[in-house]
Amino acid sequence: AQSVAQPEDQVNVAEGNPLTVKCTYSVSGNPYLFWYVQYPNRGLQFLLKYITGDNLVKGSYGFEAEFNKSQTSFHLKKPSALVSDSALYFCAVDRGSTLGRLYFGRGTQLTVWP
Amino acid sequence: EPEVTQTPSHQVTQMGQEVILRCVPISNHLYFYWYRQILGQKVEFLVSFYNNEISEKSEIFDDQFSVERPDGSNFTLKIRSTKLEDSAMYFCASRGTGGADTQYFGPGTRLTVL
Repeated sequence: AQSVAQPEDQVNVAEGNPLTVKCTYSVSGNPYLFWYVQYPNRGLQFLLKYITGDNLVKGSYGFEAEFNKSQTSFHLKKPSALVSDSALYFCAVDRGSTLGRLYFGRGTQLTVWP
Repeated sequence: EPEVTQTPSHQVTQMGQEVILRCVPISNHLYFYWYRQILGQKVEFLVSFYNNEISEKSEIFDDQFSVERPDGSNFTLKIRSTKLEDSAMYFCASRGTGGADTQYFGPGTRLTVL
């Protein structure tokens, strides 16, 4: 069965500090990996994705993510957190088929305090 | 920037009633999806739609659910006889092409079944 795990329900960091939001997956084949962010009363906004190539991908708002095939992980990172980064972050995985069904983690609430 | 829109933002209905949730995908996209998120749980795939037919559906998407693309712009999800457990946020998403293209999500419709 396909599954995506976000082991932390909440991550709290101080503004200016680096942040990491963790994601591991169990999906057969060569999956595509995504991060989405959800602000209150808003939909899911695309942040970045890994398809192939360089293991470090850069996305919107200064976020980046590192793909690690041996650890089946795709952790989201940012060198210097902003208060405005506070939101709910979802990791999602596509099995790599043309159909595009996404499997989501439970989400991690990121809080950045001033 | 083009975006996926959904109406209504909030729908309240009585158990056993039919509801139709509406979505307008991004105009040149070819793949369409419905997901749902029960409060406090992960985002779950319901169905994907391509070339005017369902391409994949989950075990959640039983005979009570149906999807339709009635014209060139709308994509609808119908629940024939709502149950209390159908209460959730329903997200529509669209994607341009197959493969690794990104799914873009609408803001969601919150369905409350009383």
